[in-house]
Amino acid sequence: SQKIEQNSEALNIQEGKTATLTCNYTNYSPAYLQWYRQDPGRGPVFLLLIRENEKEKRKERLKVTFDTTLKQSLFHITASQPADSATYLCALPAWGGYNKLIFGAGTRLAVHP
Amino acid sequence: DAGVIQSPRHEVTEMGQEVTLRCKPISGHNSLFWYRQTMMRGLELLIYFNNNVPIDDSGMPEDRFSAKMPNASFSTLKIQPSEPRDSAVYFCASSLGGTNEKLFFGSGTQLSVL
Repeated sequence: SQKIEQNSEALNIQEGKTATLTCNYTNYSPAYLQWYRQDPGRGPVFLLLIRENEKEKRKERLKVTFDTTLKQSLFHITASQPADSATYLCALPAWGGYNKLIFGAGTRLAVHP
Repeated sequence: DAGVIQSPRHEVTEMGQEVTLRCKPISGHNSLFWYRQTMMRGLELLIYFNNNVPIDDSGMPEDRFSAKMPNASFSTLKIQPSEPRDSAVYFCASSLGGTNEKLFFGSGTQLSVL
């Protein structure tokens, strides 16, 4: 069955630095991948979608890459700010599953002033 | 738009009681999803509907769980009887329903079964 792996350990970085989060998947090739942000006590909020034929996608300070050979997506936040502190989840469509999204466990990011 | 609306925000109940969680999706969205989130298992998809029809309920843990979508603006997730291991945050999400579509999540219902 398909598996999604995100680093379960929290990522602590200094304000102004670039945060890089990793999402690895196994057992199939998704047509796209999505990234969400989740704050404590709230539901996940969509950030970016990248398709299998796109190597990179940017939105303001966010950048996502999608390497279908490595079966990996990297999520970067440049010039990070304390307000970027949250849990970030990657999500992929389930194999054969219409628009059914499966989520990774998420990585908690803490940006320190 | 008010977004996806879930109620109640918090529910505390005793083992064996029936629990009903409610969701109002974003108007015009054709797909609705129920997820459950715990520290141990993360965000798990329980069931999803397309145009009010259940498409995949393979994530529903047991027969104690049931979900309905009587119309395009309302869905319920029912647990009967509830057990302590059902304690989790339950999220409802909706989307426009095509492929590649992003999900819009509600604020969730924090369920505690004592």
